Amino acid sequence: GAGVSQSPRYKVTKRGQDVALRCDPISGHVSLYWYRQALGQGPEFLTYFNYEAQQDKSGLPNDRFSAERPEGSISTLTIQRTEQRDSAMYRCASSLEASVYSNQPQHFGDGTRLSIL
Amino acid sequence: AQTVTQSQPEMSVQEAETVTLSCTYDTSESDYYLFWYKQPPSRQMILVIRQEAYKQQNATENRFSVNFQKAAKSFSLKISDSQLGDAAMYFCAYRKTGSQGNLIFGKGTKLSVKP
Repeated sequence: GAGVSQSPRYKVTKRGQDVALRCDPISGHVSLYWYRQALGQGPEFLTYFNYEAQQDKSGLPNDRFSAERPEGSISTLTIQRTEQRDSAMYRCASSLEASVYSNQPQHFGDGTRLSIL
Repeated sequence: AQTVTQSQPEMSVQEAETVTLSCTYDTSESDYYLFWYKQPPSRQMILVIRQEAYKQQNATENRFSVNFQKAAKSFSLKISDSQLGDAAMYFCAYRKTGSQGNLIFGKGTKLSVKP
């Protein structure tokens, strides 16, 4: 597609449920990133992939959070046993190159707004 | 650890006037990238401008320019001839060279444009 696509746009679920957030990056983009943005804050890095390989997951807050990108394209961020503090905007971004010296910008999706009741 | 600080939670500018949004950062790295992103009410996250730290020349994109002061670790954004469509949250972000993930964002500045 023309841009990074995320679904769903909104997700409301009860505490304790599992949720899966989907990201479809720009076609051909090698790198894919997940961020979390709390209200009134800037995005915070969670994890990223080059192709299907997860390169850095240091930003994942705890082991209830996981992400995968099995075929090097679409990625899923999964939150198990959700808690109210997980409520936030979850943003995905992709960039073209995988070079460590790349200055290619990250292109962001419109995000999934997650609300945990 | 690197940090990015935007000290102005809100700013206001008259249409057609110029406004400067400030950003400072803390890093021990010598090479890195800096970005300004715009987040309008539509929820998009749009890249406005970027600067490589090794370049002394300030980046410019049409009405948007930066004042990059490496020694002072300052990276301000100047918007000239402000338009109503410039109203948005603006986020300053940092990424060190060699790190593909890990964009570090400031808390943002909400810019209002008065007609």
